[in-house]
Amino acid sequence: EAGVTQFPSHSVIEKGQTVTLRCDPISGHDNLYWYRRVMGKEIKFLLHFVKESKQDESGMPNNRFLAERTGGTYSTLKVQPAELEDSGVYFCASSRIQGGNTIYFGEGSWLTVV
Amino acid sequence: RKEVEQDPGPFNVPEGATVAFNCTYSNSASQSFFWYRQDCRKEPKLLMSVYSSGNEDGRFTAQLNRASQYISLLIRDSKLSDSATYLCVVGLIGAGSYQLTFGKGTKLSVIP
Repeated sequence: EAGVTQFPSHSVIEKGQTVTLRCDPISGHDNLYWYRRVMGKEIKFLLHFVKESKQDESGMPNNRFLAERTGGTYSTLKVQPAELEDSGVYFCASSRIQGGNTIYFGEGSWLTVV
Repeated sequence: RKEVEQDPGPFNVPEGATVAFNCTYSNSASQSFFWYRQDCRKEPKLLMSVYSSGNEDGRFTAQLNRASQYISLLIRDSKLSDSATYLCVVGLIGAGSYQLTFGKGTKLSVIP
């Protein structure tokens, strides 16, 4: 069974540009999460989809971040315009049911804003 | 006060040593507890869930004290392959959503 896959694995963009990160969850997993770790900080929750619906987006830092999950399959996270403080690693995770011992993480998308 | 606090380390221990990691969490409503392992530039992976009764998985023993909001992980007979960052994680369902809250992690280096 394929795991959670994320694209791109690494991205370097200039301040003010736009970046779109993609996540393909494990097949059949209705729950999809985005987390991120910025330099020197802990991994933090961004948002949670159940199928195509945003269940909780309380962790989204500001309106420069937009997440979508059209059709309830893959998800995208767009940062527009990117700022220096957005640099970090963005993890996507998925689970069949809600519960910490069933969540599987992707390898992350490493974003550097210069 | 951070939601989940861990000693950042690093812990440098020889092979075969026993090492203990501690963690405290601030939200008494937290419902589930875990230790994750993260290798350098990799994703976090579940090492084990943690229960109040304590649980063991081979060389790893985890303990939870809800009253003092304290979680521990004990690694016996350390192997070189145990070198990684260990993340203390708590889970909470609120507003219909399940969130994991991570500590910053404790780095372990097992030395030959």
